Amino acid sequence: ETGVTQTPRHLVMGMTNKKSLKCEQHLGHNAMYWYKQSAKKPLELMFVYNFKEQTENNSVPSRFSPECPNSSHLFLHLHTLQPEDSALYLCASSPVGPTGAGTQYFGPGTRLTVL
Amino acid sequence: AQSVSQHNHHVILSEAASLELGCNYSYGGTVNLFWYVQYPGQHLQLLLKYFSGDPLVKGIKGFEAEFIKSKFSFNLRKPSVQWSDTAEYFCAAVNYGGSQGNLIFGKGTKLSVKP
Repeated sequence: ETGVTQTPRHLVMGMTNKKSLKCEQHLGHNAMYWYKQSAKKPLELMFVYNFKEQTENNSVPSRFSPECPNSSHLFLHLHTLQPEDSALYLCASSPVGPTGAGTQYFGPGTRLTVL
Repeated sequence: AQSVSQHNHHVILSEAASLELGCNYSYGGTVNLFWYVQYPGQHLQLLLKYFSGDPLVKGIKGFEAEFIKSKFSFNLRKPSVQWSDTAEYFCAAVNYGGSQGNLIFGKGTKLSVKP
């Protein structure tokens, strides 16, 4: 248990569905992240939020829409996804600052399957 | 572009064998370096980190890593592996600077330890 929780743990959705992934951290961190983990590829950073403000969008398609209502919660809204979007989506949090960014605490991930 | 490369995709060892996993990074300037580990069915977690000072850093569970600036390397080592070390290991780096910076991961090395 890292103090970062993600729900749901598994999600199967059709290409026309709309769903949301939720992440919550209880560590008092002010930076939160979404990553995509696919087989045989490096972990891909998708979005970064510092103090609820988005500071990084790593050229992610608009069918992925993040939301950070406060420093403890992060959402990833999904709509009209493609089968190639099937992957493990990881949420992480860290302290803010130049040395904080690397010391990240990860949640267990949501295994997403797009049919 | 900034990148982190890991030399081996899959390493298979017998218990008590010595381990060395290679990692190289390509960055200008000072970097912070990390090894993360993902045990089967568990979340990604920090194994050890290097910010500055002694280039030989020690982490949890008997792991250590050596930062060699001239070789742009940060190899992970353990003198004697155990079956419980079976996991996937990720090298990562953050470009050190005044801003937040982002964690860049290698593709990972899967370690299988035979009992």
